[in-house]
Amino acid sequence: RKEVEQDPGPFNVPEGATVAFNCTYSNSASQSFFWYRQDCRKEPKLLMSVYSSGNEDGRFTAQLNRASQYISLLIRDSKLSDSATYLCVVKKNNNDMRFGAGTRLTVKP
Amino acid sequence: GAGVSQSPRYKVAKRGQDVALRCDPISGHVSLFWYQQALGQGPEFLTYFQNEAQLDKSGLPSDRFFAERPEGSVSTLKIQRTQQEDSAVYLCASSFPGTSQETQYFGPGTRLLVL
Repeated sequence: RKEVEQDPGPFNVPEGATVAFNCTYSNSASQSFFWYRQDCRKEPKLLMSVYSSGNEDGRFTAQLNRASQYISLLIRDSKLSDSATYLCVVKKNNNDMRFGAGTRLTVKP
Repeated sequence: GAGVSQSPRYKVAKRGQDVALRCDPISGHVSLFWYQQALGQGPEFLTYFQNEAQLDKSGLPSDRFFAERPEGSVSTLKIQRTQQEDSAVYLCASSFPGTSQETQYFGPGTRLLVL
């Protein structure tokens, strides 16, 4: 079983839709959590950190449930430019980051 | 300022050939990471440097893989006697260690194809 599990999708949604991605992790010692975005044939880029209290950045909302070892990302009012692969990332210490396989999103006109 | 750069961007190697992949981290970044990303998968950790010290190489898949960062800046990932299963994108990332929320900045990757 992989340390970080994500639904691979693909998610195909119309513009303006709300879409949610889920992620589970197996190591309870994990300390930090992130969502990265990766466009096709590009490098991953940090989308947002995930805090225990939940956090929002514009149309993006991230939630963390430590008891269930579950992380989510909600995208509201999706745009064509949101089409990408979203990587769930879990960090145990300052040098050990584990990536999920990614969830692919396509937003269609 | 300049981000993380990697070279070459693309490399085609014949099976058995040795390859060397270069990473130039962001200036002043102490930490440097190498990842391997196979098609349809997330990046998999290979190795980590803090300055010139290789603190973790637990992700290197075999003794054919070797990484160095002799002056604490540029790093090279060397793969000896390449095999077809080595075909992947090799990503380098750097960060300036601080809090646990520190961001890793990725380079564009080297796409390696072993024939």
